[in-house]
Amino acid sequence: EAGVTQFPSHSVIEKGQTVTLRCDPISGHDNLYWYRRVMGKEIKFLLHFVKESKQDESGMPNNRFLAERTGGTYSTLKVQPAELEDSGVYFCASSQDSAGAWKQYFGPGTRLTVT
Amino acid sequence: AQSVTQLDSQVPVFEEAPVELRCNYSSSVSVYLFWYVQYPNQGLQLLLKYLSGSTLVKGINGFEAEFNKSQTSFHLRKPSVHISDTAEYFCAVSDRPGSARQLTFGSGTQLTVLP
Repeated sequence: EAGVTQFPSHSVIEKGQTVTLRCDPISGHDNLYWYRRVMGKEIKFLLHFVKESKQDESGMPNNRFLAERTGGTYSTLKVQPAELEDSGVYFCASSQDSAGAWKQYFGPGTRLTVT
Repeated sequence: AQSVTQLDSQVPVFEEAPVELRCNYSSSVSVYLFWYVQYPNQGLQLLLKYLSGSTLVKGINGFEAEFNKSQTSFHLRKPSVHISDTAEYFCAVSDRPGSARQLTFGSGTQLTVLP
């Protein structure tokens, strides 16, 4: 069974540019989560999809971030325009049900560097 | 509000030596506690969890952790480490098991096992 995959693994962009990160969850997992780890600090929750609907987006930092999950399969996270403080590692996770936060399977992350 | 403190950002240890990675949390309510591990170029994996019952929890790869309510700690231990244990370890807390929003992570501890 394939795990959670994320693309790209690394991205380097200039301040003001746009970047789109992609996450492919494990097949059959309705729940998809985005997290971010900035500058070696703690990992923070961004948002949670159930199928194509946003269940909880309270962790999204500002309106420069847009997450979508059309069709309830893969998800994209777009940052537009990127700022220096957006640098960090963006993790995606998926789970079959949301009854236990520890039931999530995590992807390897996308390392974003904004220069 | 909850918070997790991992005091040691880097822990170097020689192979076959014991190791303890420290985690302290703050929460005004009952908590559920977790340790995750991230090996190089891989996603986060759940190492072990404390939900209720015995305060000594055993996880994968020979790791164990003890929940100490009076000291608000959940330190991770292994009696004899291997080179393959080199990874970053994250402590996390949740006051409700049902939602990803409630997972609060620490800033991580890089364990490096030296030959």
